[in-house]
Amino acid sequence: DAKTTQPPSMDCAEGRAANLPCNHSTISGNEYVYWYRQIHSQGPQYIIHGLKNNETNEMASLIITEDRKSSTLILPHATLRDTAVYYCIAADSWGKLQFGAGTQVVVTP
Amino acid sequence: DTGVSQNPRHKITKRGQNVTFRCDPISEHNRLYWYRQTLGQGPEFLTYFQNEAQLEKSRLLSDRFSAERPKGSFSTLEIQRTEQGDSAMYLCASSLASQTDPYEQYFGPGTRLTVT
Repeated sequence: DAKTTQPPSMDCAEGRAANLPCNHSTISGNEYVYWYRQIHSQGPQYIIHGLKNNETNEMASLIITEDRKSSTLILPHATLRDTAVYYCIAADSWGKLQFGAGTQVVVTP
Repeated sequence: DTGVSQNPRHKITKRGQNVTFRCDPISEHNRLYWYRQTLGQGPEFLTYFQNEAQLEKSRLLSDRFSAERPKGSFSTLEIQRTEQGDSAMYLCASSLASQTDPYEQYFGPGTRLTVT
């Protein structure tokens, strides 16, 4: 599985968009980009995944560069409940997810 | 509540004892995954099942770890001769997936193991 690199932490103001970057320069053609988040003391929660195209759902948007070496998760209007550790994972469709250290996102009022 | 349940939620055991954790996935989900999470780290994949078949064992941490999913429904994870280094959160997840189309994994709340 390809390794991913994320900033360790970032702050975001409530109501603003949060843009979370992820590098996955060694991603292979059959690997998807998955994003999960983990709120303290809970199990991870799925956010979104994509292969080549940009994706959007009710939680977030995923922008994948054309060369697939990096992606950005966009939370359009951050709320205090979005404070969590966000994980970017590159893995195939079998779903054997290898979580890294993630990005600690703190949303402030 | 994601619909995935794990029992017990907390387990304290003495070094050398065996422990078993249970995971009940969402009923129609055909895949079930086990992960381990130590303090300050992201979850680490251990093993997974498609229905009752265990598709990968190589990432189980040692031969003291074993998992079963006998009827393709609930699953158990057993650790024999526990060591203090086994102290962690053990997470279970399930999904409805095919080889070519990944679906989201729904995680349970985890079982926190403390080995004294």
